Amino acid sequence: SYELTQPPSVSVSPGQTASITCSGDKLGNKYACWYQQKPGQSPVLVIYQDTKRPSGIPERFSGSNSGNTATLTISGTQAMDEADYYCQAWDSSTGVVFGGGTKLTVL
Amino acid sequence: QVQLQQWGAGLLKPSETLSLTCAVYGGSFSGYYWSWIRQPPGKGLEWIGEINQSGSTNYNPSLKSRVTISVDTSNNHFSLKLSSVSAADTAVYYCARGVVGATSFHYYYMDVWGKGTTVTVSS
Repeated sequence: SYELTQPPSVSVSPGQTASITCSGDKLGNKYACWYQQKPGQSPVLVIYQDTKRPSGIPERFSGSNSGNTATLTISGTQAMDEADYYCQAWDSSTGVVFGGGTKLTVL
Repeated sequence: QVQLQQWGAGLLKPSETLSLTCAVYGGSFSGYYWSWIRQPPGKGLEWIGEINQSGSTNYNPSLKSRVTISVDTSNNHFSLKLSSVSAADTAVYYCARGVVGATSFHYYYMDVWGKGTTVTVSS
């Protein structure tokens, strides 16, 4: 079955750039998306089709995907960005696959 | 604006069948895949399965033997049944709208989510 791997935690200072990675076999040959989840809330889509932002998502959120790694980048990180982030892709054998999630801490 | 409203029993005993329903309001039911996802306490997201308007389903291989997802197009509802539950099935269960297509590659992302239903399995 297809698997996606994320670091359990990432820390960033306010105003700095946070990068969260998501690794999977030939992930660059698939589309990745990213969800933000705050405590007690449902996930919110922040990036889809590798690089696209849904309406209402701030421009500081961006994404890339190449080789075996997709990356979510948050520029000028704000305290409100502290949350869990999940990557997700689709595999022909497994279906929808989520990464294990990364807790972003804004120190 | 599309909204998903979900409901179902929140407390089950081991070996019982979990049953949840999700209603779609304010948008088209056709042209999308409708998914169920769960999240055990303190853990990550796990995709359970999906269905489209035509009733075509796909399930997570790890849960396939216990899962049935059905659709009621007359009421824009879709439902989840998970049989023979155990404590390991305790989780928040979400329904979501899946946007599916293909350009360079196949894409699948979930852009609208329900608020979640907490399901606890305990004797």
